[in-house]
Amino acid sequence: QQKVQQSPESLIVPEGGMASLNCTSSDRNVDYFWWYRQHSGKSPKMLMSIFSNGEKEEGRFTVHLNKASLHTSLHIRDSQPSDSALYLCAASRTGNTGKLIFGLGTTLQVQP
Amino acid sequence: EAAVTQSPRNKVTVTGGNVTLSCRQTNSHNYMYWYRQDTGHGLRLIHYSYGAGNLQIGDVPDGYKATRTTQEDFFLLLELASPSQTSLYFCASSGQGPNERLFFGHGTKLSVL
Repeated sequence: QQKVQQSPESLIVPEGGMASLNCTSSDRNVDYFWWYRQHSGKSPKMLMSIFSNGEKEEGRFTVHLNKASLHTSLHIRDSQPSDSALYLCAASRTGNTGKLIFGLGTTLQVQP
Repeated sequence: EAAVTQSPRNKVTVTGGNVTLSCRQTNSHNYMYWYRQDTGHGLRLIHYSYGAGNLQIGDVPDGYKATRTTQEDFFLLLELASPSQTSLYFCASSGQGPNERLFFGHGTKLSVL
């Protein structure tokens, strides 16, 4: 069973719309959450990270974290076709530098 | 942007063959990692290293060896390759600390026939 579960598995949104992606860890020892984006045929690139309860916004991207429920969500407003990609959620523990546990990802398609 | 270079980009071998995947980073990062990515399994950590001469076992190490010869260079060795090792392999590096992001190479697509 995946220790990091993402939903939905795939998502289609219209250009200019809002995309909301979810991620939950079943490992209660994780402290850090990450969102990586992987365009088709490319390598993953870190999009956003969040380590404290609350919300973090960077441009069109907002990430939320609830540490009590080990749930994080990524919201993309004004979605663009270039946002079409595989979005990977990852979690890590204090003391385990870089030893990330990845979810299976959400495939986002933004339709023009 | 941090630089991680993998070689080769594509590799085809036969069952039982030996394969070495190479990774070099020029970021002065202490940590380097080998992941494999498979549909239905996502990204899984094979081996990682804290520095030259150090090796740590990841989550799916069976059938793989790794060696970190310098701070820059990390190799993944498949001795007696099997079709189950057909996958997309990513090398990554990061700085020291739990809040350091991973920088990935462009990947090596390996096919074991």
